[in-house]
Order: sequence, then C-alpha cells, then structure tokens
Amino acid sequence: KAGVTQTPRYLIKTRGQQVTLSCSPISGHRSVSWYQQTPGQGLQFLFEYFSETQRNKGNFPGRFSGRQFSNSRSEMNVSTLELGDSALYLCASSQGVAQPYEQYFGPGTRLTVT
Amino acid sequence: AQSVAQPEDQVNVAEGNPLTVKCTYSVSGNPYLFWYVQYPNRGLQFLLKYITGDNLVKGSYGFEAEFNKSQTSFHLKKPSALVSDSALYFCAVRPTTGFQKLVFGTGTRLLVSP
Repeated sequence: KAGVTQTPRYLIKTRGQQVTLSCSPISGHRSVSWYQQTPGQGLQFLFEYFSETQRNKGNFPGRFSGRQFSNSRSEMNVSTLELGDSALYLCASSQGVAQPYEQYFGPGTRLTVT
Repeated sequence: AQSVAQPEDQVNVAEGNPLTVKCTYSVSGNPYLFWYVQYPNRGLQFLLKYITGDNLVKGSYGFEAEFNKSQTSFHLKKPSALVSDSALYFCAVRPTTGFQKLVFGTGTRLLVSP
C-alpha cells in the first residue's frame, strides 16, 4: 500500500499570504489528522477529520482551517500567514477514530514564512 | 483534558547498553498509549501501543514499553541500544472513551554513541 502523501513538500510564503496544504491518506483510511511541529513546541494538534466531519480541533486561531473530501483526502488552509506559522505540518491517517488505531504519518510539508 | 510529559529533552546512552525513555500521562479514565519515532527529515513512525491487558508491550525494532497504572507511566525500553536508534521519540495518549484527540509529548531525543 502506498503511504500517506503530502504536497507540496516545501513552501516559502510571505507574511499576509495564504497557503493550502494537501494530504492523501492510505487507501481505506477514513480519518485524517493534522499536526504542527516546531522545535520549541513539539507536536501540536490542529484538527482531526472522519468521514468529512471535523471530530476534534486544537487550540489554533481561526486562520487555520481544514476540510476532508469524500475520498478521504484532506486539505488545510492557513490565511494571513505570520512568521510564527513557520513549521513542519504533518498529516496522519488512520482507519478510524474512538479506537486505538495507530496513525500513519506523511513526510510533512515544510512551510517557511518570510 | 489529557496530557503527556516527557521529562527528558535528551537521553544519552552507549551502544549495547539498555535504554529507557520516560513518559508519564494524565487522562480521565483509561488510556490508549502510543510511542512513535521520528528520524531526521521524516514523518513519525509507529513503534508500539498499549490498549489493555499485559502491562509489557512489545513493538518494532526490539523496543518495548511498560505500562504502570499506579504511576501513570509508559516508559519505552530496549535491552541493547544501537547507534541507528538515535532519533526523536514521542509518547502519545488518547482516552478510551469518546472522540477525543491524540495528544503527544514534546519528544525526547535519543543519542546512542558508538
């Protein structure tokens, strides 16, 4: 099976711009989660989607949004970028929620905001 | 809300020696517990998980973890460390009930010296 894929792998944006990141889960996986990873803060949870519905949301401002499509692919959007948004954004897929399914992570999208 | 503490930013061990990476958690009710590893410039990889039952869980690459309910701990162990084990290790917890998010610790960098 192909793993979780994320596009693009690298992005450089300017403050004030917006960005959309894409995630394709493992075939058959219906849950997708997004995380922000920074050296100082570790892995911070952004959102979790299952069957096109947002099941959980982390403590991020409304500039961060996401969605999931009927084929389980997911996108996250960050509007009005700030320097502090520079991070590695990780997507993870699993078979479902509310069960001890392990998550499978993609390689991440490295976002740099200048 | 659930939380995870990894008290050591870095653990240093010589190759061939046993290693322990510590994790304590806080959760309402019973936990699902996970360990993930991240190699440089890559996403996280699942190592092992605790669901219920036997307190000693065996996982990939010779790693194991011991669940201790009274101490709310889930320490990662390996009898004999390899240089290739050098990586960033994350502990994560999720309650067994409800649609609650997976929460990660801040990570522990393991450095195995030859």
